[in-house]
Amino acid sequence: QVQLVESGGDLVKPGGSMRLSCEASGFTFSDYYMSWIRQAPGKGLEWVSYISNSGSSMYYADSVKNRFTISRDNAKNSLYLQMNSLSAEDTAVYYCARRTGSSRAFDIWGQGTMVTVSS
Amino acid sequence: DIVLTQSPGTLSLSPGERATLSCRASQSVTNSYLAWYQQKPGQAPRLLIYGASSRATGIPDRFSGSGSGTDFTLIISRLEPEDFAVYYCQHYGSTIFTFGPGTKVDIK
Repeated sequence: QVQLVESGGDLVKPGGSMRLSCEASGFTFSDYYMSWIRQAPGKGLEWVSYISNSGSSMYYADSVKNRFTISRDNAKNSLYLQMNSLSAEDTAVYYCARRTGSSRAFDIWGQGTMVTVSS
Repeated sequence: DIVLTQSPGTLSLSPGERATLSCRASQSVTNSYLAWYQQKPGQAPRLLIYGASSRATGIPDRFSGSGSGTDFTLIISRLEPEDFAVYYCQHYGSTIFTFGPGTKVDIK
């Protein structure tokens, strides 16, 4: 079935780096724009970044610009998020999500991976 | 950037009642790019409505969306026990996605 599975979340010290992965299955990954969305504990949803289906275009929220890098490997059906210069404000569950074509909504979500930034 | 405001923050209702949730944008937005999600504790969000009024695959017809310009509404016609959750609206515009702060629908 159509599925997204994130991995890579862990405890990291402030100023550290982490790479998240998201493996897709059940659909033609290379046809879809993909996104990362996060949710701090007890808070709402915050869009982080998205990447075009070919990987040629990437966009970021101001809160992560110049610190996070989104990428994808269509041959491996995988999406990535490289996170640098992490701070406590980056502590959250990170979801990968598939973006629909015409409506720009997120129709498939992974289960999320927890990133905790703490000394 | 567009800001989405949702009201009320919390809606306390009983099963079988009608729920009316509001999402207001700080400026006029494209209807095609307005969506609603449901999130239950410990779960990922689920797409309910896209294009302001179209139900996503598998979503029961007790969920309906409407609105245009700056004011959008999600209605749950008769609340089922599984509908008690947090609901978010979301918009896409100018390469940026924005979520509202959410409305919690809890059991009265």
